[in-house]
Amino acid sequence: DIQMTQSPSTLAASVGDRVTITCRASQSISSWLAWYQQKPGKAPKLLIYKASTLDSGVPSRFSGSGSGTEFTLTISRLQPDDFATYYCQQSNTYSRTFGQGTKVEIK
Amino acid sequence: QVQLVQSGAEVKKPGSSVKVSCKASGVTFSSLGISWVRQAPGQGLEWMGGFIPVFGTAHYAQEFQGRVTITADKSTNTVHMELSSLRSEDTALYYCASTARLGIEDSWGQGTLVTVSS
Repeated sequence: DIQMTQSPSTLAASVGDRVTITCRASQSISSWLAWYQQKPGKAPKLLIYKASTLDSGVPSRFSGSGSGTEFTLTISRLQPDDFATYYCQQSNTYSRTFGQGTKVEIK
Repeated sequence: QVQLVQSGAEVKKPGSSVKVSCKASGVTFSSLGISWVRQAPGQGLEWMGGFIPVFGTAHYAQEFQGRVTITADKSTNTVHMELSSLRSEDTALYYCASTARLGIEDSWGQGTLVTVSS
């Protein structure tokens, strides 16, 4: 199975900060990488798919990049609504794998 | 727009089985790709398996092979997930997610809490 490793596990930031989260795959997954946002008590919400394509309605302050084994999610200017946990997920095969998550907390 | 409605919370004894349902609307059965993802309390997301409409069969995560069964009912546009030999570690929120729109898990159900306790 493909393993996904996210870093950091927790990130403390302030409103307006630029935030970057990294996700590494144990083998090449081309661009088959998605990012999800999850808030407490809610289902995950898709933000980005195919490494860099924003899903409909997702604010443009979110962006994704990378291919192969290294990927990043960037939030250009953190907003109060962005404090949440973020997960990467590979969809290179029918067997999906999620990263362990990155919690973005208020500094 | 795909909408997914899951069955209600369950409390089960260790060693028993649980069956969780996910009824879809806004999508035809031929496009009804559904994944099951669980989240234990305070933990991350764990993909369990998925129904692949082009094959009409399910694919399972290695960790759950032999213990999980995913089936689909065309007449009701519903996908079921049955997990057997339950243990306390299976206590979690179980989500279904549709892959119909983008080929990945793009729309999610509300989640079903399964509690395993003696």
